Amino acid sequence: ETGVTQTPRHLVMGMTNKKSLKCEQHLGHNAMYWYKQSAKKPLELMFVYNFKEQTENNSVPSRFSPECPNSSHLFLHLHTLQPEDSALYLCASSQLAGDADEQYFGPGTRLTVT
Amino acid sequence: GESVGLHLPTLSVQEGDNSIINCAYSNSASDYFIWYKQESGKGPQFIIDIRSNMDKRQGQRVTVLLNKTVKHLSLQIAATQPGDSAVYFCAEKGAGNNRKLIWGLGTSLAVNP
Repeated sequence: ETGVTQTPRHLVMGMTNKKSLKCEQHLGHNAMYWYKQSAKKPLELMFVYNFKEQTENNSVPSRFSPECPNSSHLFLHLHTLQPEDSALYLCASSQLAGDADEQYFGPGTRLTVT
Repeated sequence: GESVGLHLPTLSVQEGDNSIINCAYSNSASDYFIWYKQESGKGPQFIIDIRSNMDKRQGQRVTVLLNKTVKHLSLQIAATQPGDSAVYFCAEKGAGNNRKLIWGLGTSLAVNP
């Protein structure tokens, strides 16, 4: 167990659905991240929150909407997704301090868009 | 542009042998590097990191070597075990204002019993 949990573990949704991914970290970290992991591609950073403030948005389409109500919880709201959005969505947290960036990852949500 | 790549996409070793996973990076200004391991069905797990002011760092059964001259990073795993079978990623942190991690594609390590 890494101290980062994600729900659901698997999600199948149609292109017109609205769903949300949830992430919770029990490590007391001050930063949380959403990544997209697709086959044969490097891990893609989507969003970064530092002390609940969004500090990074890597040109992510607006059909992905993050929410960070507190430093322990992170959501990714999904609506009108495309089949190419099917991937493993990983949440991570870290304690930002200087250069070190040891990120702790959850198990991911395997998303399939039909 | 900035990129982190791997020399070998797959590596197969015998149990008990030493494994070496290589990584090349293109940003000579990067000053922090990390290795992660991802087992099937799990998220990446931190293994070891190294700063650019070092050329070697050792952990438990793992050693990371950094050669800044040729911009090369390697992860050595001693006495490889079946539990080491996973995909291994290197990541670099760029210098300057862009301090986010840049990830490589990953190398799949298969340990044969």
